[in-house]
Amino acid sequence: EIVLTQSPGTLSLSPGERATLSCRASQSVSSSSLAWYRQKPGQAPRLLIYDASNRATGIPDRFRGSGSGTDFTLTISRLEPEDFAVYYCQQYDSSLWTFGQGTKVEIK
Amino acid sequence: QVQLVESGGGLVKPGGSLRVSCAASGFTFSDHYMSWIRQAPGKGLEWVSYISQSGSTIYYADSVKGRFTISRDNAKHSLYLQMNYLRAEDTAVYYCATFYCGGDCYPIWGQGTMVTVSS
Repeated sequence: EIVLTQSPGTLSLSPGERATLSCRASQSVSSSSLAWYRQKPGQAPRLLIYDASNRATGIPDRFRGSGSGTDFTLTISRLEPEDFAVYYCQQYDSSLWTFGQGTKVEIK
Repeated sequence: QVQLVESGGGLVKPGGSLRVSCAASGFTFSDHYMSWIRQAPGKGLEWVSYISQSGSTIYYADSVKGRFTISRDNAKHSLYLQMNYLRAEDTAVYYCATFYCGGDCYPIWGQGTMVTVSS
């Protein structure tokens, strides 16, 4: 099983600031089979990034995914009010999908 | 458009059973493997089960093995999760998902169905 570890657990920032979220895998994720999601309270996770760096349909360019192997990063260049939420990374390299524990981005 | 819609959630007593369903549309269901993921209230995402395109390969998380059964009906474009011997810790929103390939390939999820196990 590929274990994903996200850091930090919580990020306290102001609107307009830059957010940098990390996701580290316990073993190499081949073909960069990694996704990022944003989840707001009471809603299903929404796909932001797939294949480590491809933005999903309708996702603004302030979201950028990068990384390969075991280290991946989600960068939000300028936080908008709707970006204060919980973010999860997910690997789909294996049929047994696994998820990080989440990073909460809160308003400072 | 490509869509997954779950149904069948509800309130069930500990030890009881429930079957949740997922209706797929907008893509060739039989060409795609399917998974169930759940999220307990206030908690993170947990993968529950996987079924291959034909149904010949199935995996379960240790937390549900022996109690849950995943199945699919390709003719009806539907995925199922039969949940038996339910426990309070099975209380969660249950999502169906797949790795959709229609040109580009990426995960897609339904909106989820809530299962509450309580006396």
